[in-house]
Amino acid sequence: GDSVTQTEGLVTLTKGLPVMLNCTYQTTYSPFLFWYVQHLNEAPKLLLKSSTDNKRTEHQGFYATLHKSSSSFHLQKSSVQLSDSALYFCASDSGYNKLTFGKGTVLLVSP
Amino acid sequence: NSKVIQTPRYLVKGQGQKAKMRCIPEKGHPVVFWYQQNKNNEFKFLINFQNQEVLQQIDMTEKRFSAECPSNSPCSLEIQSSEAGDSALYLCASSLSLRNTEVFFGKGTRLTVV
Repeated sequence: GDSVTQTEGLVTLTKGLPVMLNCTYQTTYSPFLFWYVQHLNEAPKLLLKSSTDNKRTEHQGFYATLHKSSSSFHLQKSSVQLSDSALYFCASDSGYNKLTFGKGTVLLVSP
Repeated sequence: NSKVIQTPRYLVKGQGQKAKMRCIPEKGHPVVFWYQQNKNNEFKFLINFQNQEVLQQIDMTEKRFSAECPSNSPCSLEIQSSEAGDSALYLCASSLSLRNTEVFFGKGTRLTVV
């Protein structure tokens, strides 16, 4: 079956620094990848999505590029803010819009 | 703000009791999902519907859960006999179609089984 791997469980950074959260995947079909963000006690919300190889997608200062050759979809931001502290999930569409999630990465941004 | 409405936000049940939670999907979304998010934040897919029909479900859901999405009524997920291991956040989500469209989540029902 499909699987998504996020290698970092916790990332702590000072505001203003760049961040990269890793995501690799294995999918049965043509990959469609997502990044979701979940703030404390809030619903997970879509941050980015892509199915196009080697094309950068951006939203709210975050960006990611799907690389089918390396099965990766890493999330990046040039300068993190305090409000970016949250739980970040990489996910793939496993068919019928059913999502297979990674284990999540907690991003903590300090002043 | 989330347009997928889940009630109740918190639910406390004793072991062996039934636990029922409800979900109103985003207006016009025929596809509904239920996920379980455990204390380690890991997601587990439980079941999905298109309109009133079940599309996919895992073994656990088939054996221990009762779920439905009747027309003109909230969707529901009910654990027939709660176990301590069922303590988790249950997230409902909806989407406009079955392929590559955004999935919108509710805030979840946090179930604690004591």
